[in-house]
Amino acid sequence: AQSVAQPEDQVNVAEGNPLTVKCTYSVSGNPYLFWYVQYPNRGLQFLLKYITGDNLVKGSYGFEAEFNKSQTSFHLKKPSALVSDSALYFCAVRRGSSNTGKLIFGQGTTLQVKP
Amino acid sequence: NAGVTQTPKFQVLKTGQSMTLQCAQDMNHEYMSWYRQDPGMGLRLIHYSVGAGITDQGEVPNGYNVSRSTTEDFPLRLLSAAPSQTSVYFCASRRGLAEMSSYNEQFFGPGTRLTVL
Repeated sequence: AQSVAQPEDQVNVAEGNPLTVKCTYSVSGNPYLFWYVQYPNRGLQFLLKYITGDNLVKGSYGFEAEFNKSQTSFHLKKPSALVSDSALYFCAVRRGSSNTGKLIFGQGTTLQVKP
Repeated sequence: NAGVTQTPKFQVLKTGQSMTLQCAQDMNHEYMSWYRQDPGMGLRLIHYSVGAGITDQGEVPNGYNVSRSTTEDFPLRLLSAAPSQTSVYFCASRRGLAEMSSYNEQFFGPGTRLTVL
């Protein structure tokens, strides 16, 4: 069965500092991995995805994520955090060979960036 | 394009009442799905559809029905509302069905906040 774990309910970081939001996954076969962001009272917005190829993927708003197959992780990173990055972040995984495309989400991590 | 739209934005029901949450997309996406979001639990898949006339159950389907009579619309019906169905509901869609398209990202609607008293 597929599963995603986001071990931190909340991450606090000062503006200008680097940030990391952690994600580990469990899936049979090759994983398709996604990060979404949710601002208050809004739907989820796609940030980036890993399908194949380079382990470091770049996405919207300066975010990037590193796929680590041996550690089954897909941590979200940004070199310099902004106050406007404060939001709820979700990691999600889909089994690559599944054409029905069920996407399994982690429980979410709240990112708080302080001025 | 309007993307994925959902109505209503807010709804309060009494236990035992029924209602339909509406979802529509104008991107001609084959795949549509419904999720519920509860604190500390992320998003859980309720039902999904891979095309008009085809639906299937997700992780938490009990108490919900869906239908897909057109590509554009994917309504979610609560048959007899219960307090446990108090949640925020999101509809999503994505392009393509073939195996190589399963890497496409999903587009989410703005959500419906439902309270069952």
